[in-house]
Amino acid sequence: DAKTTQPPSMDCAEGRAANLPCNHSTISGNEYVYWYRQIHSQGPQYIIHGLKNNETNEMASLIITEDRKSSTLILPHATLRDTAVYYCIVRVGSGNTPLVFGKGTRLSVIA
Amino acid sequence: GAVVSQHPSWVICKSGTSVKIECRSLDFQATTMFWYRQFPKQSLMLMATSNEGSKATYEQGVEKDKFLINHASLTLSTLTVTSAHPEDSSFYICSARDLGLADNEQFFGPGTRLTVL
Repeated sequence: DAKTTQPPSMDCAEGRAANLPCNHSTISGNEYVYWYRQIHSQGPQYIIHGLKNNETNEMASLIITEDRKSSTLILPHATLRDTAVYYCIVRVGSGNTPLVFGKGTRLSVIA
Repeated sequence: GAVVSQHPSWVICKSGTSVKIECRSLDFQATTMFWYRQFPKQSLMLMATSNEGSKATYEQGVEKDKFLINHASLTLSTLTVTSAHPEDSSFYICSARDLGLADNEQFFGPGTRLTVL
């Protein structure tokens, strides 16, 4: 699976949009971009995933560049409860390949 | 989304004892479950892939005789830490894949914190 690069940490003011970048320049054509987050001492929580089109759900939006070499996770109105480590992972959409976690981005939402 | 449970949520044991952790998929069937371990301030590390009805596949550096995995049904996998030592103290997280979802979404349990004295 392709590797990802994320900034180690980011701060965001409460109520503002949080934009978390991810570089995946070696992504293959059949690999999806997945985003998970982990709040302290809990299991990872699925946020969103996409292949090449932008995606939106009740939690976040995922913007994937046209060349698919990078993406941005957007939390439109960050709250204190969004403070967590956010992981960007690329993986094929089928088969039994497990998710492999990098170091992620530690997002701190500040009041 | 699908729910994955783990039991117990935390356990403290003496060095040399064995500890069993259960992972259940509550509302879906999963032929494959994954076990991860997470040390403080580190990311999740994949330990093994558990397939229903067959032997687990362990990642390099993970001792299969120390971390026994059993996946007897489509909704239950167990991880037994045998002869636990203080260095085995960690946060153990299981994950299951929902076969019913086209994009192979992977769901995680809440984790089990193991402390070995």
